[in-house]
Amino acid sequence: EAGVAQSPRYKIIEKRQSVAFWCNPISGHATLYWYQQILGQGPKLLIQFQNNGVVDDSQLPKDRFSAERLKGVDSTLKIQPAKLEDSAVYLCASSLLLAGSPNNEQFFGPGTRLTVL
Amino acid sequence: AQSVSQHNHHVILSEAASLELGCNYSYGGTVNLFWYVQYPGQHLQLLLKYFSGDPLVKGIKGFEAEFIKSKFSFNLRKPSVQWSDTAEYFCAVGGYSTLTFGKGTMLLVSP
Repeated sequence: EAGVAQSPRYKIIEKRQSVAFWCNPISGHATLYWYQQILGQGPKLLIQFQNNGVVDDSQLPKDRFSAERLKGVDSTLKIQPAKLEDSAVYLCASSLLLAGSPNNEQFFGPGTRLTVL
Repeated sequence: AQSVSQHNHHVILSEAASLELGCNYSYGGTVNLFWYVQYPGQHLQLLLKYFSGDPLVKGIKGFEAEFIKSKFSFNLRKPSVQWSDTAEYFCAVGGYSTLTFGKGTMLLVSP
């Protein structure tokens, strides 16, 4: 079974530039998550999709971050404009079950390491 | 709000030593508990999980964890570590959808 795919793996940009990350979840997984992992910390949930709808985006800085999952499969996370503090690894995860289901297990992709100069 | 506290940020052990990584959580509902591992250069992988039933759960590579409800703890154990266990370990707690992660414990096993 193929895992969660993410691209690019690394990205370096200057502050105030824009950047986009792409995620393709495991086939058939209904729920998709984007996490931000700053160095020395655990992953923090940014946004959660169920199919093509947003379930939880309470921790997404909506003034600069946006995400979409238009067809309910792959997803894009965008930052515009980037700040120095956005330097982090951006992780995508997916789970088979719908949000709210018991025994819901998440599978993680390799992440995109973003450096903002 | 749910939270997770991992007791140690860095642990250094010699091969064959026993391991116990502490994890305490705060959560106000039916709790699911996880330990994830991130080997150098690799992505997060599930080590083990607790949803319900037997509070002693066994995971991959000889790891186990015990859910002690009265102590709000889910400590990770391994009787004898190997050099290949060098990695970062994350405890996570969640309801049925969102996960909250601890800050992680970096384990270095010296040969």
